[in-house]
Amino acid sequence: AQTVTQSQPEMSVQEAETVTLSCTYDTSESDYYLFWYKQPPSRQMILVIRQEAYKQQNATENRFSVNFQKAAKSFSLKISDSQLGDAAMYFCAYRSALRAQKLVFGQGTRLTINP
Amino acid sequence: DTAVSQTPKYLVTQMGNDKSIKCEQNLGHDTMYWYKQDSKKFLKIMFSYNNKELIINETVPNRFSPKSPDKAHLNLHINSLELGDSAVYFCASSPRDSSYEQYFGPGTRLTVT
Repeated sequence: AQTVTQSQPEMSVQEAETVTLSCTYDTSESDYYLFWYKQPPSRQMILVIRQEAYKQQNATENRFSVNFQKAAKSFSLKISDSQLGDAAMYFCAYRSALRAQKLVFGQGTRLTINP
Repeated sequence: DTAVSQTPKYLVTQMGNDKSIKCEQNLGHDTMYWYKQDSKKFLKIMFSYNNKELIINETVPNRFSPKSPDKAHLNLHINSLELGDSAVYFCASSPRDSSYEQYFGPGTRLTVT
């Protein structure tokens, strides 16, 4: 079974600085998708960024980018120019391309932005 | 335009009661899901339906029974509620293709007293 691990329960960063959230996963599959979701205090789950495992190029969405290391099974999220609105729980998630389409989530990282 | 909606958003009830949570999506997606988020914020899949057919049932007590009257709706009925059922329940939907993201509803916070 696939597992996702986020080893940082909490992180904090100064406004306008850069922060990196870590995620590792375990799978025997070669074809899959990885996601970062953000959950602000409103509890709405919001997609931040998506990475296809077959793509070597790291995904980027404005201030958000990932460092995808397939061999190391690592998928970290970098947030540049942190803003107060970035404060939230961040979840890393895995989805198989082959089988049942459920998302397997990590434990989450609570990100605090210090003004 | 709400893509995935859930009702109610908050539900407080006593142990032993039976309750339902409703979910509707207007995105035309084939697949719908129920996830449970516990008090430690951990999210885990409970059920998945594809075109009204159950495709995932993850070791959930049989007090939980999903029902999909059509592919736009997936309801969750819970019998004989227990204290440990207190959690936030999220409905989600996606196209069948795994490459697409799942769109989540706003969640239903269930409190069992």
